[in-house]
Amino acid sequence: DTAVSQTPKYLVTQMGNDKSIKCEQNLGHDTMYWYKQDSKKFLKIMFSYNNKELIINETVPNRFSPKSPDKAHLNLHINSLELGDSAVYFCASSQGLGQSSPLHFGNGTRLTVT
Amino acid sequence: KQEVTQIPAALSVPEGENLVLNCSFTDSAIYNLQWFRQDPGKGLTSLLLIQSSQREQTSGRLNASLDKSSGRSTLYIAASQPGDSATYLCAVVASGGSYIPTFGRGTSLIVHP
Repeated sequence: DTAVSQTPKYLVTQMGNDKSIKCEQNLGHDTMYWYKQDSKKFLKIMFSYNNKELIINETVPNRFSPKSPDKAHLNLHINSLELGDSAVYFCASSQGLGQSSPLHFGNGTRLTVT
Repeated sequence: KQEVTQIPAALSVPEGENLVLNCSFTDSAIYNLQWFRQDPGKGLTSLLLIQSSQREQTSGRLNASLDKSSGRSTLYIAASQPGDSATYLCAVVASGGSYIPTFGRGTSLIVHP
C-alpha cells in the first residue's frame, strides 16, 4: 500500500565508499524527485525526472548520479562518500510537471558517513 | 530565484489555541503552493494545495490562504491539539519554469496539554 517507498531507511558507511538508495512509487506518477534535508531540516532539490528523463540537476556534485530505469523508479547512487553527504535523503513523486498535484514523499533515508 | 521564508521558526502553545503559521515567497508568479506536515523521523505529508487561482483551501481544522500579490500564505490551525505537534513546511511552485517545488525551512510546532 505504500505510495512512495525508499530503501534503506538507515545507511551508515565510511568515507570513500559507494552506496545506492532506491526509490519506487506505485501511484502511476510521471515525475520523481530527490531532495536532501540537512541537519537544520532545510529541504533542497537535487534532481527531478519526468518520464525517465532528467529535468533538473541542481548544483550537486557529480559524485551523485540518479538513474531512472522506468517511470516508477528513481535510484540515487553516490560515489566516494564524504562527511558532508550525511543527511536525510527524500524521494518524492507527483502526477507530472505542469500538473498542479500534490507531492508525495517517501519516509526518507538517513545517511551517516563516518 | 524563488525564496521561501517561514515565520516563526518555532512555536510552543497550550492545547486549544488557534494558530497562524506564515509563509512568504519572493516571486509572486507562482503555479501553486502546498503545505506539508513532517513528523520526526518521517517523510512529509501533504496537508493542503492551493492553486494560483484560488484564495484558500480548507481541510478539517486547517485553513490555508494565499495572497499572491503580497507573496504570502498562512496556515490557520483551529483548536490545536497535542497531535498537531510537528514541523510544518510550505512549498512554492513557480510558474513558467521547471515546476520544481521550493521549500521554506519550516515552523516547528509544539502543542502541550
